[in-house]
Amino acid sequence: EAGVTQFPSHSVIEKGQTVTLRCDPISGHDNLYWYRRVMGKEIKFLLHFVKESKQDESGMPNNRFLAERTGGTYSTLKVQPAELEDSGVYFCASSTLGTGFNEQYFGPGTRLTVT
Amino acid sequence: DAKTTQPPSMDCAEGRAANLPCNHSTISGNEYVYWYRQIHSQGPQYIIHGLKNNETNEMASLIITEDRKSSTLILPHATLRDTAVYYCIVRVLTGNQFYFGTGTSLTVIP
Repeated sequence: EAGVTQFPSHSVIEKGQTVTLRCDPISGHDNLYWYRRVMGKEIKFLLHFVKESKQDESGMPNNRFLAERTGGTYSTLKVQPAELEDSGVYFCASSTLGTGFNEQYFGPGTRLTVT
Repeated sequence: DAKTTQPPSMDCAEGRAANLPCNHSTISGNEYVYWYRQIHSQGPQYIIHGLKNNETNEMASLIITEDRKSSTLILPHATLRDTAVYYCIVRVLTGNQFYFGTGTSLTVIP
């Protein structure tokens, strides 16, 4: 079974440009999460989808970030326009729905460098 | 935010047990203790979780004190591949996000 995949693995863009990160969750996982670690900081939650609906977007830093999950499968996270402080590693995770503990499986992350 | 305190770094000799402590003195009755680890350039990986009883799986053991204010993750026979940052997290069972904190950087030494 394929794990969570993320594309690209590394992106280098200039300040002011736009970047779109993609996450493909494990097949059948309705929960999808985005996290990020900016330089020198902890891994922080960004938002949570249940299928195509945003369940919790309390961690989104500002309106330059837009996440979508059309059709409830893969998700994209767009940063527009990118700023220097957006540099870091963006992780995606997915899990099944249901009561009880559902392990979050993380992807390898996308390293974003804004110059 | 993170409700746990962990030492920033630890070393362990290869083949020996690695004991990683975690303090969570403000843990609530319905919060579980989770452990994840992040090996360099990979995403975080689930290790184990527990409520109040000690837990063991193929990767590790989790020892939770009776008052639940602290716990210890035990890797019984550390290998070089266990070198990683280990995160102790408290959260309700069906919560959404994980608060990762700063973790403990474990280095397994040959």
